[in-house]
Amino acid sequence: RKEVEQDPGPFNVPEGATVAFNCTYSNSASQSFFWYRQDCRKEPKLLMSVYSSGNEDGRFTAQLNRASQYISLLIRDSKLSDSATYLCVVTPNTGGFKTIFGAGTRLFVKA
Amino acid sequence: EAQVTQNPRYLITVTGKKLTVTCSQNMNHEYMSWYRQDPGLGLRQIYYSMNVEVTDKGDVPEGYKVSRKEKRNFPLILESPSPNQTSLYFCASSLSPPRPGNTIYFGEGSWLTVV
Repeated sequence: RKEVEQDPGPFNVPEGATVAFNCTYSNSASQSFFWYRQDCRKEPKLLMSVYSSGNEDGRFTAQLNRASQYISLLIRDSKLSDSATYLCVVTPNTGGFKTIFGAGTRLFVKA
Repeated sequence: EAQVTQNPRYLITVTGKKLTVTCSQNMNHEYMSWYRQDPGLGLRQIYYSMNVEVTDKGDVPEGYKVSRKEKRNFPLILESPSPNQTSLYFCASSLSPPRPGNTIYFGEGSWLTVV
């Protein structure tokens, strides 16, 4: 089983739709969680960190469920510019300081 | 401007010919990493470094070496490249190991082809 798993998609949604992605992680002691966005094989960029209580940044909401070991990203009122690959990132507490990326979920927002 | 700079951006090389991909950051970050990205597999961490002279293996270190002699530089060395190391490589840095509020900054990527 992969340490971090995401549905690869693609998710094809119309503009204005609400879309949600999940990401599961296997190490229950994992400490930090993030969502990154990557456009067309360019460098990933931080979208948002994920806090235990959940957090929101404009149209984006991230949640953490430690009991079920997943994090989620909700995008409301999708824009064409949201089309990208969304990467889930976890830092497992394995005695080292690795950073584990999911393979990404591809989103296409269409007019 | 905060930057992670890696070179070369594009390289085609032959099997067995040693090469080095340089990485430099101007943010005085302690934590630096190298990743490779392959279709369907996402970014996989090759090596990371907590500080000068402190390096550790990521998930896919075989065939790679790194060094951290200065805080700003973290070169990736392929002593004897093979075709299965054809990939897109990213260097990254952050102030400390990633935690909420602590952004990872990535270089623009290096496309490496080994023939």
